[in-house]
Amino acid sequence: DAGITQSPRHKVTETGTPVTLRCHQTENHRYMYWYRQDPGHGLRLIHYSYGVKDTDKGEVSDGYSVSRSKTEDFLLTLESATSSQTSVYFCAISVVAGLSYEQYFGPGTRLTVT
Amino acid sequence: QQQVKQSPQSLIVQKGGISIINCAYENTAFDYFPWYQQFPGKGPALLIAIRPDVSEKKEGRFTISFNKSAKQFSLHIMDSQPGDSATYFCAALNAGGTSYGKLTFGQGTILTVHP
Repeated sequence: DAGITQSPRHKVTETGTPVTLRCHQTENHRYMYWYRQDPGHGLRLIHYSYGVKDTDKGEVSDGYSVSRSKTEDFLLTLESATSSQTSVYFCAISVVAGLSYEQYFGPGTRLTVT
Repeated sequence: QQQVKQSPQSLIVQKGGISIINCAYENTAFDYFPWYQQFPGKGPALLIAIRPDVSEKKEGRFTISFNKSAKQFSLHIMDSQPGDSATYFCAALNAGGTSYGKLTFGQGTILTVHP
């Protein structure tokens, strides 16, 4: 599992409330990612980080922000949760192996917005 | 737009049969093509990957076939077993430049292998 943990693993929240999901890794990997997984859409990249305080948007970043103040932690914040953000959220890290980036995923967080 | 299209959405195979999942991509800059396997309640796990300088890569019962001219690649699972029942995702990456390892995923295929 490449030493990746996510917290919380399950969360139910109400529309309009802020929510923060945490991804923690123990192996000092430079690259970290947040994805959401929805039926029929596969995995879609929300935000990614290529170093401490270095982050950028993915394809579905609206309504989300991220922060990375330490190598080991990558936080995803839903600024004002909406029902459309009900999803399973996965954090991932990349291990650079030659010209390949091997991505490894955390166990996921199931978020329900009511 | 960088897209990876995956088919079929679902697949039912008998034990011992061959499962085949196909993917097509548009961006010719993609140069790394991994497949992921995901069991219910778990995160995706890297299964096998290929680079476009080879046409086939085999690891155990799993084989990737790659057709650069057609911009297609496929996963073959030989002697499929009930334990292979999972969701499979193809993905693609441009490893060069400033991609930062960002993968573009297909939509996923739910594979069911009947005993």
